[in-house]
Formats: sequence, C-alpha cells, structure tokens
Amino acid sequence: SQTIHQWPATLVQPVGSPLSLECTVEGTSNPNLYWYRQAAGRGLQLLFYSVGIGQISSEVPQNLSASRPQDRQFILSSKKLLLSDSGFYLCAWSVGVPFTSPLHFGNGTRLTVT
Amino acid sequence: GESVGLHLPTLSVQEGDNSIINCAYSNSASDYFIWYKQESGKGPQFIIDIRSNMDKRQGQRVTVLLNKTVKHLSLQIAATQPGDSAVYFCAENMAGANNLFFGTGTRLTVIP
Repeated sequence: SQTIHQWPATLVQPVGSPLSLECTVEGTSNPNLYWYRQAAGRGLQLLFYSVGIGQISSEVPQNLSASRPQDRQFILSSKKLLLSDSGFYLCAWSVGVPFTSPLHFGNGTRLTVT
Repeated sequence: GESVGLHLPTLSVQEGDNSIINCAYSNSASDYFIWYKQESGKGPQFIIDIRSNMDKRQGQRVTVLLNKTVKHLSLQIAATQPGDSAVYFCAENMAGANNLFFGTGTRLTVIP
C-alpha cells in the first residue's frame, strides 16, 4: 500500500531563516506530487505540483520554491522566511492526470515564523 | 454548507443520526468533485469522489449527491459516529484546470 511521509511535524523558525520541508512517497511509481498550504479557517491553497522528476509547476508567486530530485521525493524550500509564510503545509500524491483523481495527503508540517 | 470566510460553518448531530454536509460550487464547467475529512492536526483524508456524469455515488456509510443544475454537492453520512467529528471539505476541478479548488470546510460535531 502507498504511504506518504512529511517531516518535520512542527517547526518554529525566525524571520529571514531558510526552510526545507521534505516529503516522500512509498508504494507507487511516478506519482504526481503536490504542495499545499492551509491557513486557519480557510481551504487549501495549491503552491506547487510536479508530474515528474525535475518538473515543477508553480501556482502562486511567492517566497517559496519546490524541487523534485527523485521520483518519490518532493522538497519545499525558502531562502528567507517571512512572517506570512506561517501556516500548515501539506504534501500530497496522486496518479494519472493531475487533479482528476484523489489526492492523498500527508499529515502536514505546522510552520510558525517568529 | 461551504462559505468563504474565517468562521467555519458548523453542524452538530446526535450520534446515530444521519448527517448532511452541503457545498455550493462555483463553476458550471467543473467535472470532478471530491470530499475530504480533516481531523485536528492531521492532513485531509479522502472520503469519496464523483464525476459530473453521475448524480450519486455511494461508499461505506457515505453518499455523495451532485446537482449540476444548481451547482450543489452534498455528503451524507449514515449513522453518524463520534469518530466522524472533523472538518469536511469539498473540492472541485474544472476540465483542463491545473488545480483542485477547495472550500473552507464545515465542522461536524457528533454529540454522544
């Protein structure tokens, strides 16, 4: 069966510091991978998605970047965090055509920028 | 039902009763819809999905109804249990759109 791992679960970082969140998927090959952010009381906002190694689509211009160095690894990064980067970051995977089959989410990373 | 804003709509039901959570979607060209359950501190969990060529789909204790005429989606949970307490999100995808658009969610509380 497929599993998705995100770490760390929680993170507190000062403004201006770098960020690296990692997500890995097991049990499936060539998945679509996604990064979403969830603000309190709001729905999920798509940040990036990837259909293959080295292929990244960005949906929201911002202070973040994503990379996919391996088939089942997706990394979310920032060189300098802003206060507005605080939130709940979720990684997800799916198969087939992106956004046309269920996305399966990890348990997220709660990031607080201080 | 769903709404945009900082305060989640809430629904309280007695244990054992049926729950109906509603969602109004925005785009008549949307052709794929999905319901998620999110418990506190966890990621959203897939419940059930439906495509626009269907009006109804059933899973274990859950049924999704799609009314394309009024752009309305509902999730019915039979014999609601305390473990069903969570925030429920609907999401829609329009053919060719590179995104799933999520609502803000409805908080379901099951009263024992």
